[in-house]
Amino acid sequence: DTEVTQTPKHLVMGMTNKKSLKCEQHMGHRAMYWYKQKAKKPPELMFVYSYEKLSINESVPSRFSPECPNSSLLNLHLHALQPEDSALYLCASSHSGSSTDTQYFGPGTRLTVL
Amino acid sequence: GDSVTQMEGPVTLSEEAFLTINCTYTATGYPSLFWYVQYPGEGLQLLLKATKADDKGSNKGFEATYRKETTSFHLEKGSVQVSDSAVYFCALSARAGGTSYGKLTFGQGTILTVHP
Repeated sequence: DTEVTQTPKHLVMGMTNKKSLKCEQHMGHRAMYWYKQKAKKPPELMFVYSYEKLSINESVPSRFSPECPNSSLLNLHLHALQPEDSALYLCASSHSGSSTDTQYFGPGTRLTVL
Repeated sequence: GDSVTQMEGPVTLSEEAFLTINCTYTATGYPSLFWYVQYPGEGLQLLLKATKADDKGSNKGFEATYRKETTSFHLEKGSVQVSDSAVYFCALSARAGGTSYGKLTFGQGTILTVHP
């Protein structure tokens, strides 16, 4: 089973709201990732967690706050977002985070910020 | 830094036509190479991968060979179907600067439309 699940599928929020995106995998992977994908563009890496520790933060604004409660779960907490943050947010996981690993992606959460 | 260049699209083909999507890369070291496919409204699915020079990845009739001498990883399929219509991303995975963790760098994507 190579499934990564994400909830919710769609999210609409105002600029003053606080919301969270959730990602889950049961493949025993120890690395998890958040990507942001704008329309008609490739995904861009935001964060990497390896063994539940934040390993890479690609200079993402603090209004995005990741959390990895355990090796199967990854959250992205959102606060005071801007309309330009509207995008598809993709979660991925891989075996250990090595550069030879395959990253498996979830279906994404489509976020609209009003 | 690392980069991936894909042939510009969109690409429109008739069913059963031959498909080539060109992909070249720039990277230090020895990256792993991937093709991902994204269907409308969905996430990315791994299509195939290759981790070292001269490796050939293949899946569902698609093939790509890791060519180190030309820094290329072109995607080919002998006979496309309407169901192959999607966006195709070439990507490389290399160590993110100063760490041992892999970071995917994607090309811009190629939109493929196959007509009956």
